[in-house]
Amino acid sequence: QVQLQESGPGLVKPSETLSLTCAVSGYSISSGSYWGCIRQPPGKGLEWIGSMYHSGSTYYNPSLKSRVAISVDTSKNQFSLKLSSVTAADTAVYYCARLIHSSGYYYYFDYWGQGTLVTVSS
Amino acid sequence: QSALTQPASVSGSPGQSITISCTGTNTNVGSYNLVSWYQQHPGKAPKLMIYEGSKRPSGVSNRFSASKSGNTASLTISGLQAEDEADYYCCSYAGGSTLVVFGGGTKLTVL
Repeated sequence: QVQLQESGPGLVKPSETLSLTCAVSGYSISSGSYWGCIRQPPGKGLEWIGSMYHSGSTYYNPSLKSRVAISVDTSKNQFSLKLSSVTAADTAVYYCARLIHSSGYYYYFDYWGQGTLVTVSS
Repeated sequence: QSALTQPASVSGSPGQSITISCTGTNTNVGSYNLVSWYQQHPGKAPKLMIYEGSKRPSGVSNRFSASKSGNTASLTISGLQAEDEADYYCCSYAGGSTLVVFGGGTKLTVL
């Protein structure tokens, strides 16, 4: 059973960098697959932030691309999200998930972490 | 980047069937139906309900089904139950290096 666990600071000051780590168990990241970060502002819908292939290739939401970086640490079987220059609009529950690319252009998230709330406030 | 449009809310009574629509483009729905569907209860992580347009993961009730017509994908829940009350999101490949985009979500209320 694949499990993902997010860990983050909970509170980040405006203009600083949000850092989130996603620890994966039950599956080796280096075995393959894509991995992704999704967020959900309070009371709003889901927003894809970006994804990373196990080899390190990255793909980002165009609206966040200038501020986002996702990286992998295969030795710890985890991946990390960094979002710079945060504002109150970045306050959200942040989720990690495994993104399956089954064939062609079929993509779907099959395993999700429980999510962690990150609040941007001074 | 392709957008997916969902109704804000739908409702139904126990035992009835409801359908949630997700309108996209010829690329992500019309030609290939690249849509996946997720159920999210309050305070919980989303759960995959449908993938590759119409396939159900193991463990998902066969009361959940999906289809498409033109550029609109649909999720149908039959024999509505109280536990089905949740938010539902469609998701699809968006084009280029934008791997996925989510619809705005639909709140299902079981009356």
